[in-house]
Amino acid sequence: QSALTQPASVSGSPGQSITISCTGTSSDVGGYKYVSWYQQHPGKAPKLLIYEVSNRPSGDSNRFSGSKSGNTASLTISGLQAEDEADYYCSSYSNSATYVFGTGTKVTVL
Amino acid sequence: EVQVVESGGGLVQPGGSLRLSCAASGFTFSSCWMHWVRQAPGKGLVWVSRINYDGSSTTYADSVKGRFTISRDNAKNTLYLQMNSLRAEDTAVYYCVRGTVRGGATTMFDYWGQGTLVTVSS
Repeated sequence: QSALTQPASVSGSPGQSITISCTGTSSDVGGYKYVSWYQQHPGKAPKLLIYEVSNRPSGDSNRFSGSKSGNTASLTISGLQAEDEADYYCSSYSNSATYVFGTGTKVTVL
Repeated sequence: EVQVVESGGGLVQPGGSLRLSCAASGFTFSSCWMHWVRQAPGKGLVWVSRINYDGSSTTYADSVKGRFTISRDNAKNTLYLQMNSLRAEDTAVYYCVRGTVRGGATTMFDYWGQGTLVTVSS
């Protein structure tokens, strides 16, 4: 049950697009379509952004999109805004009916 | 409105026990799988445990297996986490989380409580 690997930090200017990677193994990310992404502002609970690799909850911003290739999933934030400055976590279903989160990525808006 | 509200956190000595509760409302609790996720101060999210609809199936992270027990009371719309043999490394905010299930697995953690802080220290 090792954590999925994410870059510690990613930054971008307002209006730009950034991508956060999430690397696992064939036992988690690569083996299932059950990758999800979460946004967490300081002192707040995480919020679901993307589920099942690329689906957005209804009514949520379409600036967030997800994809997966092999053992690596990705979250792209388009049209970066100041309010997007937060921590982001990926998550995946894993073998033996367990779940694993990524190490987390701090997004900074320059 | 969907709500999950945790309680029961606090300061406990190493080796001690604590029971967390999570009161759910705004959805059909007995139809949902539920999870506990924790976050140590300044650290990332870590999945802890999961329970299915009726409590007949549970799974745990290796780090808590044999020490923690997840359970539920569907009549009271309440989720529990019994934590025994607590260690300093169990210090964290514990989140109660609803999971949506497809194909026999949780595919998203869609509603999170605000968390309850557990501090293990002498």
